[in-house]
Amino acid sequence: SAVISQKPSRDICQRGTSLTIQCQVDSQVTMMFWYRQQPGQSLTLIATANQGSEATYESGFVIDKFPISRPNLTFSTLTVSNMSPEDSSIYLCSVEGRSSYGYTFGSGTRLTVV
Amino acid sequence: SQKIEQNSEALNIQEGKTATLTCNYTNYSPAYLQWYRQDPGRGPVFLLLIRENEKEKRKERLKVTFDTTLKQSLFHITASQPADSATYLCALDPYSGNTPLVFGKGTRLSVIA
Repeated sequence: SAVISQKPSRDICQRGTSLTIQCQVDSQVTMMFWYRQQPGQSLTLIATANQGSEATYESGFVIDKFPISRPNLTFSTLTVSNMSPEDSSIYLCSVEGRSSYGYTFGSGTRLTVV
Repeated sequence: SQKIEQNSEALNIQEGKTATLTCNYTNYSPAYLQWYRQDPGRGPVFLLLIRENEKEKRKERLKVTFDTTLKQSLFHITASQPADSATYLCALDPYSGNTPLVFGKGTRLSVIA
């Protein structure tokens, strides 16, 4: 299955600033998925990133707040813009595995906004 | 929209016993149902996948069942060990791949020595 390197692993940010999270995959993948996991909650899909086109956002998430780039088939970034304490969460990227190998996740970015 | 319930937020069992976790879903049957393990501060790790035409899948001490009539999956860990303590997530793949998964809230399993 694919291996994902996600950076940074954690950060503490001031409100009103932005943070860009990067995910690098060791193989080419068609789609990458970005999730948010709030404390004690499950994963909520933010958007699906397809190379060469704009990301598709889920209800409640907008491009101005969570711009996504997907410049090639192995890399994607998610930016959390104009942060507030409510954005404190774990952010995860994911790609589909091959055949019966399930989906692979990055190790997550733990964001704290103060 | 598809909804998933994992009806135990937390489960405590004695070492050596079998842990059984439940996942129920509403609406249409997914193409695949998957189980993941998540440790604190880490991303989910894939454990098992079962297809809608399969009743049971096994991998070492893990067993997953899939009942499309009851709209339920059961996840079993036999001969449980303290190292099995983690949060276990049920996830649905509605369209056989390359679509985002829909996750349950997870069950936090604690295996007590």
